[in-house]
Amino acid sequence: KQEVTQIPAALSVPEGENLVLNCSFTDSAIYNLQWFRQDPGKGLTSLLLIQSSQREQTSGRLNASLDKSSGRSTLYIAASQPGDSATYLCALTTGGFKTIFGAGTRLFVKA
Amino acid sequence: DTGVSQDPRHKITKRGQNVTFRCDPISEHNRLYWYRQTLGQGPEFLTYFQNEAQLEKSRLLSDRFSAERPKGSFSTLEIQRTEQGDSAMYLCASSTPDRPGDTEAFFGQGTRLTVV
Repeated sequence: KQEVTQIPAALSVPEGENLVLNCSFTDSAIYNLQWFRQDPGKGLTSLLLIQSSQREQTSGRLNASLDKSSGRSTLYIAASQPGDSATYLCALTTGGFKTIFGAGTRLFVKA
Repeated sequence: DTGVSQDPRHKITKRGQNVTFRCDPISEHNRLYWYRQTLGQGPEFLTYFQNEAQLEKSRLLSDRFSAERPKGSFSTLEIQRTEQGDSAMYLCASSTPDRPGDTEAFFGQGTRLTVV
């Protein structure tokens, strides 16, 4: 059974700091991995999608990596801003196109 | 707006009442998913449609829950005889077929259900 763990559960950093969010999973048989952002009481916004055959994806200040052999993914946020404050969710797409989520990392960027 | 649309955004109901939620996926997406999210947790898979066919259901989907997708377009999720434990955010997502690795799920804003 696929399990997804995100560490840390919560993180508070000063504005401008670079940070790394971690995601680990137990079964490497995945189709892809997505990172989502969720603001309080809102739906999910897709940030980055890494296909199973890829190692990383970049979008602006965000960089996501995927290492299937070790069952790990990281989301790197450069030069963090208060507007980055949200919950970040890691999700894996497995057989049957079902997406399995971690519990998320709540990020607070202090101005 | 070409994103996934969910209605209503918020629903407050008394325990024992029935509720129905609607999801309109992105028009060219033939896969549609329902998830439930409780406070502080990631979304949990409930069910999945490919066109009008319901292909997978989670054990979380008790017999009080039913989902439909007539004509392979919009979908409805009905909860009968609601219980306080049903209080959660119900999220809908859609995706295109393509190859599995390319499947990017797009989520709606969710329906927040509160059972009092």
